[in-house]
Amino acid sequence: AQSVTQLGSHVSVSEGALVLLRCNYSSSVPPYLFWYVQYPNQGLQLLLKYTTGATLVKGINGFEAEFKKSETSFHLTKPSAHMSDAAEYFCAVSDQGGSEKLVFGKGMKLTVNP
Amino acid sequence: SAVISQKPSRDICQRGTSLTIQCQVDSQVTMMFWYRQQPGQSLTLIATANQGSEATYESGFVIDKFPISRPNLTFSTLTVSNMSPEDSSIYLCSGQGYTEAFFGQGTRLTVV
Repeated sequence: AQSVTQLGSHVSVSEGALVLLRCNYSSSVPPYLFWYVQYPNQGLQLLLKYTTGATLVKGINGFEAEFKKSETSFHLTKPSAHMSDAAEYFCAVSDQGGSEKLVFGKGMKLTVNP
Repeated sequence: SAVISQKPSRDICQRGTSLTIQCQVDSQVTMMFWYRQQPGQSLTLIATANQGSEATYESGFVIDKFPISRPNLTFSTLTVSNMSPEDSSIYLCSGQGYTEAFFGQGTRLTVV
C-alpha cells in the first residue's frame, strides 16, 4: 500500500527566502505524485503533479518539485517565498499507481514572516 | 476545471444525531470521493461514491456509520450517523476530472 511522509507539521521562512517542503513516499508501483495547497477556509488546490516523463515538474505560483525515484522523494520548492504562500501544503500519492484515490501526507503549515 | 460546492460549511451537532453533507459538482467528473481530516491528521479516504449503486468503503469505514448516495454524476451526499465527539473532523468531497482531482471547501463538523 502507498504511504506518504511529511516530517514535521510546521515550517517558517522569511519573505524572499527559499521554501523547501519535504515529501517521501512509499509505493509498490510507479507512483503518481501530487502537491496540494489549502488556504485558510478554502478547499485543496492542485499545485503540481508528476505522472510520467520529466522528473522536474513546474506548478502554479512559482512552485516546482522533483521526482527522485532513488530517494523516493518529491520535495516541493520555491526560490523566493511570498507572504501569499502562507498555507498548508499536502503531498499525496495515487493509490495503485494511477487510480484516482489519493493517499495524503499529514500536511505542512507554511508561515512566511515579513 | 470543476468547481465543487459543499454544504453546510460547518455545523455543531449533538451526539447521537446525524448530519448529511451535500456535494455538488458543476461539471461531470469520472469519480467522486469522500475524505475525512481529523484534527492534526492527514486526509483519509472514507469511500468512493458510485453513481446509482452502493459506495465502496475503505478499511475502517462502514455503510451504517457513513451512508453515501450518488444519484447522478454531479451530486453526492455523505451522512455521518449516530455522531460522537470522535466524529469531529473536516469532511471533504472530491471529484476526479480528466487530469486532476478537485476538492470542495470541506464541512467542519463539531460534535458536542
